[in-house]
Amino acid sequence: DVKVTQSSRYLVKRTGEKVFLECVQDMDHENMFWYRQDPGLGLRLIYFSYDVKMKEKGDIPEGYSVSREKKERFSLILESASTNQTSMYLCASSLSLGARKNYEQYFGPGTRLTVT
Amino acid sequence: KNQVEQSPQSLIILEGKNCTLQCNYTVSPFSNLRWYKQDTGRGPVSLTIMTFSENTKSNGRYTATLDADTKQSSLHITASQLSDSASYICVVSELNTGFQKLVFGTGTRLLVSP
Repeated sequence: DVKVTQSSRYLVKRTGEKVFLECVQDMDHENMFWYRQDPGLGLRLIYFSYDVKMKEKGDIPEGYSVSREKKERFSLILESASTNQTSMYLCASSLSLGARKNYEQYFGPGTRLTVT
Repeated sequence: KNQVEQSPQSLIILEGKNCTLQCNYTVSPFSNLRWYKQDTGRGPVSLTIMTFSENTKSNGRYTATLDADTKQSSLHITASQLSDSASYICVVSELNTGFQKLVFGTGTRLLVSP
């Protein structure tokens, strides 16, 4: 059964702290994604990775960085957390991206981050 | 600009009734359209994926339709259950040479009342 797990369901951090969100998938998927979800807005892509040590910016990468040292693990890093980064963060994974293939993205349960 | 718009924003129905959720999109070039169900505080779970050539797909009590000419999709839920209370998100995949970029709607929040 497909499984994407995220390290924390809820997280409270202070402004200026460095924050790590971890995501692990057990499906041997090549691709992993980080999204944030805010009320009234659709999911927005922050970063994605199509291979170990490879990363691409999504639509809203500012204030974030990522790390993928192992195939199964994709980390989102907030270098200096700010209150406008309070949000629900969702990790997803999928098989190799092919323009003409409809590979499913499987989502983790989400991490609700509050920055005070 | 590629967009996905959903209606209504929210909906309340009685248990056992049917309902239809709407999705209009302007994403081009089009690759596929997906419907996801997202329970409160959880990640989205896929219900259906449809390509350009498919105009209907079912998953149990969920039936999605696609009209690629008018760029509209609908999700019909039959004989609703309390467990159907969730947000339903329409997602359109943009076709390009590199990868499938997903464009998300803001969702329809459905409440099934006993």
